[in-house]
Amino acid sequence: QSALTQPPSASGSPGQSVTISCTGTSSDVGAYNYVSWYQHHPGKAPKLMIYEVAKRPSGVPDRFSGSKSGNTASLTVSGLQAEDEADYYCCSYAGTSLYVFGTGTRVSVL
Amino acid sequence: QVHLVQSGAEVRQPGASVRISCKASGYHFTNYAVHWVRQAPGQSLEWMGWIYTGNGNTKYPQTFQGRVTITSDSTASTAYMELAGLTSEDTAVYYCARDGDDYNLDYWGQGTLVAVSS
Repeated sequence: QSALTQPPSASGSPGQSVTISCTGTSSDVGAYNYVSWYQHHPGKAPKLMIYEVAKRPSGVPDRFSGSKSGNTASLTVSGLQAEDEADYYCCSYAGTSLYVFGTGTRVSVL
Repeated sequence: QVHLVQSGAEVRQPGASVRISCKASGYHFTNYAVHWVRQAPGQSLEWMGWIYTGNGNTKYPQTFQGRVTITSDSTASTAYMELAGLTSEDTAVYYCARDGDDYNLDYWGQGTLVAVSS
């Protein structure tokens, strides 16, 4: 069970959009619509931003959206704001009650 | 509201074990599973396993099999994670998180730093 692959970094200017990919396999991301995304500011607890590929929990701005195609899921942050600068991790259900996280992407707001 | 409060920082010598607690409030404890996740310095989040608090069933990834034990006490609304055979590579912040019933981790504890050093 290997970590899902994410780009190490992504960046954009305020107001722009950034998209982060999360590549797994046909045993995890490709097999289930159970991909979630977490925002993690250093020193704080991670926060759920997206679940079941594209659903947003109550309170998460609609600037955050998710999608999936094949073995790759994506998180898009539109209208970037300074407070969006953080690490983002994807997580996928991998069958038989197992889960796997992504390698993480640091988003910078220029 | 939902809160998960973890026990404080720990320092251990190599070869020792550590047990971290995670006390839940604001919801019915046995209705939701609890996950454990860690983050070593400069590394990504790593899933360590979970417990179905309603029946005590657990699941661990291969990387932690035989070394991690997750338990829960429904009378105290508390989950525990014990990691044995510590090495310097186990130095990390350890988090508990509630399973949101939709294959996600919806509420997280504040994290517990475990430092392994001789």
